[in-house]
Parts: sequence; C-alpha cells; structure tokens
Amino acid sequence: GAGVSQSPSNKVTEKGKDVELRCDPISGHTALYWYRQRLGQGLEFLIYFQGNSAPDKSGLPSDRFSAERTGESVSTLTIQRTQQEDSAVYLCASSWGQRETQYFGPGTRLLVL
Amino acid sequence: GEDVEQSLFLSVREGDSSVINCTYTDSSSTYLYWYKQEPGAGLQLLTYIFSNMDMKQDQRLTVLLNKKDKHLSLRIADTQTGDSAIYFCAESKGGDMRFGAGTRLTVKP
Repeated sequence: GAGVSQSPSNKVTEKGKDVELRCDPISGHTALYWYRQRLGQGLEFLIYFQGNSAPDKSGLPSDRFSAERTGESVSTLTIQRTQQEDSAVYLCASSWGQRETQYFGPGTRLLVL
Repeated sequence: GEDVEQSLFLSVREGDSSVINCTYTDSSSTYLYWYKQEPGAGLQLLTYIFSNMDMKQDQRLTVLLNKKDKHLSLRIADTQTGDSAIYFCAESKGGDMRFGAGTRLTVKP
C-alpha cells in the first residue's frame, strides 16, 4: 500500500517569500505530525493533528508557521516570509492514532536563499 | 527539559556487531523507538519497545531497555554495508515524539 507522501521533494525559495508544503498521510491514519530536521540535528516537533480535535501547535517556532488539515486527509504546512534559518527538511508522519507507531514521509527539503 | 541523547558517530567493520546507545530523561515515556534514515530518504521505523519490556529481538536487531538508568540500545548483528545510515532514538508518551540527534553508523568493508 502507499506510504506517506510529501510534495514538493525539494523547494528553493527567496527570503521573504511564502512556501506551502503538502503531506498525504496513509489512508485511515487519524493522526498526522509535522517535524523539522535541520542539517546535522535531530527532529524538532512542530505540530500534531488528531482527528477532529484542536491541533497541538506547541512546537511551531513562530507565528510565520501554520498548518491545516482537511478532515483526516491532506495537510499543508505554510511558512510565511521565509527566513534563511527556515532551511531544513520538513518531515510529515502519520499514525493510526495517538500512541501508535508513526510512519514518515520522505520529507521536503527547503532551501531559503 | 526532556532530552534524548545519542553519540553522533559509530564506525564498525562489516560482519561485526554494532551497538548504538541512547539515553533519555523522561521517566514517564511509554514507547521507545529506533528509526533509520538513509541518505536522501525519510525515516524508516526499525523497531520499538514498550517501556514495560526490557528486551526485544527482531532478526538481526536487538533492543535493550534499562528503564532504571533510562538507557536504550540497539544492537545490529552481522552488520552489513547496507546498514550504513543515521539511526535515531525516539521516545514518546503518545502524541509528539522526542528524537535524539542521530548516530551516523559507518560500516567499513
């Protein structure tokens, strides 16, 4: 079956521009997560969606970051007015529910010039 | 705060065993995971262990958990060049996960 997919796989943008990253979770997975991985560092939690509950946004680093999820399907992570320090790999993961194993997508590599 | 720590590098010879260590600070963690990341790829779940277990074996992989010391290890038997990757330790209570910085395993022929 299909795994978690993300698009685009790579994105190069200019400082100050907005970017939108997309995640398609595994069908039926109610939980969806976004993480950021900076070069040479571990994963940094950004946001978590569980069903129709209010998302856990506690990891979003600034108000330039936002994410939406349509029901239990696609999610988009939006970064407004990108900065060079936003350059990272953005990983999406989904799971059957909270406390279940997370399955990761291949990530979107974002480079802000 | 709660941290997950790993050594950054490990180098072994092909055919040897590899042991990757991880320590965590949150004693209420209920799940502990090992993920593998190959170059240019996303994370792949290798194995996980519940906090009420102290060992789990899956083919060449053995996970040991010392809950008292909050120490987790991953042993790869008969390490192959295809095992070269970055290995991430992670813990959770459900909801968000906390990851270590990853251990880069290099397997020399």
